[in-house]
Amino acid sequence: IAGITQAPTSQILAAGRRMTLRCTQDMRHNAMYWYRQDLGLGLRLIHYSNTAGTTGKGEVPDGYSVSRANTDDFPLTLASAVPSQTSVYFCASSEGDNQPQHFGDGTRLSIL
Amino acid sequence: GQNIDQPTEMTATEGAIVQINCTYQTSGFNGLFWYQQHAGEAPTFLSYNVLDGLEEKGRFSSFLSRSKGYSYLLLKELQMKDSASYLCAVMDSNYQLIWGAGTKLIIKP
Repeated sequence: IAGITQAPTSQILAAGRRMTLRCTQDMRHNAMYWYRQDLGLGLRLIHYSNTAGTTGKGEVPDGYSVSRANTDDFPLTLASAVPSQTSVYFCASSEGDNQPQHFGDGTRLSIL
Repeated sequence: GQNIDQPTEMTATEGAIVQINCTYQTSGFNGLFWYQQHAGEAPTFLSYNVLDGLEEKGRFSSFLSRSKGYSYLLLKELQMKDSASYLCAVMDSNYQLIWGAGTKLIIKP
């Protein structure tokens, strides 16, 4: 079934540790996105990529980095996790501008 | 600044009609999206409006007025499975989505 796969589903992490959240899509979409979702707030864009080889900063990029080596994969790395990064992280993809974004099932991350 | 406002929570009765409003102030406008999100799950796409007027899709309809910075999602013949959060999102001049905090819809039998 075509779609977006995120891993892990959930993770508890000690503060200061490095963590990479994985995201893979098989729809050959050009654009990919990373969001975080916190209670009472809208989805907030962390980083995005309009096409393989390019990335851009969203609304809340500090403490996070991404890479886009190919069309399918868009990993998100927390270099040194802090408790304020406790959140649900969603990866999404779209065919391009003005097209709906399709979401993965999310990664629930707790930083202690 | 950019802002999307929608009610935090609404309650409706099974079989009834409910209207969820969304007002926005953004830097530029390239369309408005509505998504449904069941608790613990991913958002799923419902509708897209870029021109003024009503878009109907089965039991769900979405309306847009660009001059008023206003949209609504209309859900008819409510079913228990419609209990979810409904997210309004506006695509700004940079083609990035600005998201509202969502409206939690509770359906009562």
